[in-house]
Amino acid sequence: QITLKESGPALVKPTQTLTLTCTVSGVSLTTSGVGVDWIRQPPGKALEWLASIYWNGDNYYSPSLKSRVTITKDTSRNQVVLTMTNMDPVDTATYYCARNWQWRFDYWGQGTLVTVSS
Amino acid sequence: QTVVTQEPSLSVSPGRTVTLTCGLRSGSVSTNFHPSWYQQTPGQAPRTLIYNTNSRSSGVPDRFSGSILGNKAALTITGAQTDDESDYYCALYMGGAIWMFGGGTKLTVL
Repeated sequence: QITLKESGPALVKPTQTLTLTCTVSGVSLTTSGVGVDWIRQPPGKALEWLASIYWNGDNYYSPSLKSRVTITKDTSRNQVVLTMTNMDPVDTATYYCARNWQWRFDYWGQGTLVTVSS
Repeated sequence: QTVVTQEPSLSVSPGRTVTLTCGLRSGSVSTNFHPSWYQQTPGQAPRTLIYNTNSRSSGVPDRFSGSILGNKAALTITGAQTDDESDYYCALYMGGAIWMFGGGTKLTVL
């Protein structure tokens, strides 16, 4: 059974850097073709794709956030880490990680709500 | 400015058919965009319904189907049920390993 679980701070202050971890179980991050993505959703608003990292280490970013976001993975822990710098209240959202496989996001974490406030 | 467009809201009577669409502000959606569709109920993570235009995810009822209609991707619910009342999002592959979601459609079944 494949599961993903997000973890990280629930509250960050403006200008701080956010670090979120996605722990993946049931599939290795080195399995050919496997990607893990971060997707966020501000309260009451739409989903927004942020970044992907693939089994071979290639990573890709939303053009609108590329300067602030970094995605990395730790294959020994089977974890994917998202870092977002210079956080602002508009970045308040539920952050999801999801497996990217065969043209879909097929397994999603439960999401973690991050509030940006002083 | 939403690049990927969806109807903000739609309503359908139980048992009737409804089609949700996913377009581009500029240009046409084709199978090359590998459209996928997700259903989300309040407080829950999205659930994958359709991927690669018209492939149904495991466990998804066959009343959900995907297609290309004209210049848009489409999700059709045939025989809508009250349980189908949810938010629906499409996602498009924009090339270069970049994805974009639509603004979502709030579907009411009544």
